Amino acid sequence: AQSVTQPDIHITVSEGASLELRCNYSYGATPYLFWYVQSPGQGLQLLLKYFSGDTLVQGIKGFEAEFKRSQSSFNLRKPSVHWSDAAEYFCAVALGGSYIPTFGRGTSLIVHP
Amino acid sequence: NAGVTQTPKFQVLKTGQSMTLQCAQDMNHEYMSWYRQDPGMGLRLIHYSVGAGITDQGEVPNGYNVSRSTTEDFPLRLLSAAPSQTSVYFCASSWGLQGKSLDTQYFGPGTRLTVL
Repeated sequence: AQSVTQPDIHITVSEGASLELRCNYSYGATPYLFWYVQSPGQGLQLLLKYFSGDTLVQGIKGFEAEFKRSQSSFNLRKPSVHWSDAAEYFCAVALGGSYIPTFGRGTSLIVHP
Repeated sequence: NAGVTQTPKFQVLKTGQSMTLQCAQDMNHEYMSWYRQDPGMGLRLIHYSVGAGITDQGEVPNGYNVSRSTTEDFPLRLLSAAPSQTSVYFCASSWGLQGKSLDTQYFGPGTRLTVL
């Protein structure tokens, strides 16, 4: 079965610092990959997705993610974090068959002023 | 478009009670799914549907039933509520696979359920 690992439960950064959130998946084939963000008390919003082609994907709000097949990773990055980026971030993976995404456990981002 | 709507937003049940969480979408999406979100557990798939009349189990289906009689609606039924079902429930919909591209899932605002 497909699985998604987000190794970091919490990450704390200072405003203006760079950010990298890690995501690893376990499956032989290249899956469909997603990053979602959830602000407190809100639903989930798609940041970006990767299916094929260029392994560096640009998303909304200044986020980007890089797919590395050799490491089975899809890490999310942002060069300069804003206080409004404080939220829960979820990586998700979908494979052939149902194509229904499986979500990681999430990483909570805390931004210090 | 209203997108994905869920009712109610909040619900408190007693152990053993049954209820139905409603989910509707007006985007004519084929794929619909129900997730539950618990602290530290992320979103876990309960049931999903790839079209009217077709449903299947996800990761945590026990204690829940679904049906998909129309494209628009995908209700989730709790048969006999238990405290372990206290959670936030999200419904999502999408077009699914379109050629080689997988459509984005659109999420509803969630239903916060407490079972006493």
